[in-house]
Amino acid sequence: DAKTTQPPSMDCAEGRAANLPCNHSTISGNEYVYWYRQIHSQGPQYIIHGLKNNETNEMASLIITEDRKSSTLILPHATLRDTAVYYCGKGTGNQFYFGTGTSLTVIP
Amino acid sequence: DTGVSQDPRHKITKRGQNVTFRCDPISEHNRLYWYRQTLGQGPEFLTYFQNEAQLEKSRLLSDRFSAERPKGSFSTLEIQRTEQGDSAMYLCASRTTGTGFYNEQFFGPGTRLTVL
Repeated sequence: DAKTTQPPSMDCAEGRAANLPCNHSTISGNEYVYWYRQIHSQGPQYIIHGLKNNETNEMASLIITEDRKSSTLILPHATLRDTAVYYCGKGTGNQFYFGTGTSLTVIP
Repeated sequence: DTGVSQDPRHKITKRGQNVTFRCDPISEHNRLYWYRQTLGQGPEFLTYFQNEAQLEKSRLLSDRFSAERPKGSFSTLEIQRTEQGDSAMYLCASRTTGTGFYNEQFFGPGTRLTVL
């Protein structure tokens, strides 16, 4: 989705928190924000989703701004295996729209 | 392996030929989605099924693209008269519509199409 924008690449030191931003300014009231990641040659893997409130699971935390126009995915302690392309997206239960993704490189 | 499977994993064809891809979702999943992913881009939604019913197909790229899910289990995506611009990864995903408005989609490994 051209309206969901992400920085093309980011680096993060191993063991540090990785903060990946996403702008989804055209999100509508019934659309969720969700994050997936993709390791080369594999299908995307679900990370987390949210509607209005901040969310946390065993993989990551999701911070959504009050106006819902942007969000940040936080990987609290990045490991080398977190090197991947991270996609932010929005959608209802029916249609999903992915952004262009951020290539995260975790540096030893 | 009980994940989403796709066949073939790679397909090379000549321009103008027809191709068909197959997706086998996780068995209890009633929703099935097709996406296209070109190099350096995120997956682009194409269509989805609820059981055997195709509930959204307006995002299919042209009338050369069609999809079926005849018995509500596996699905096929066909591209007729392929063009070089059809070269991409075609991804399938499935999910349940159980409790909660949103359930995660499980993606297959994709079929990489190269049109010569």
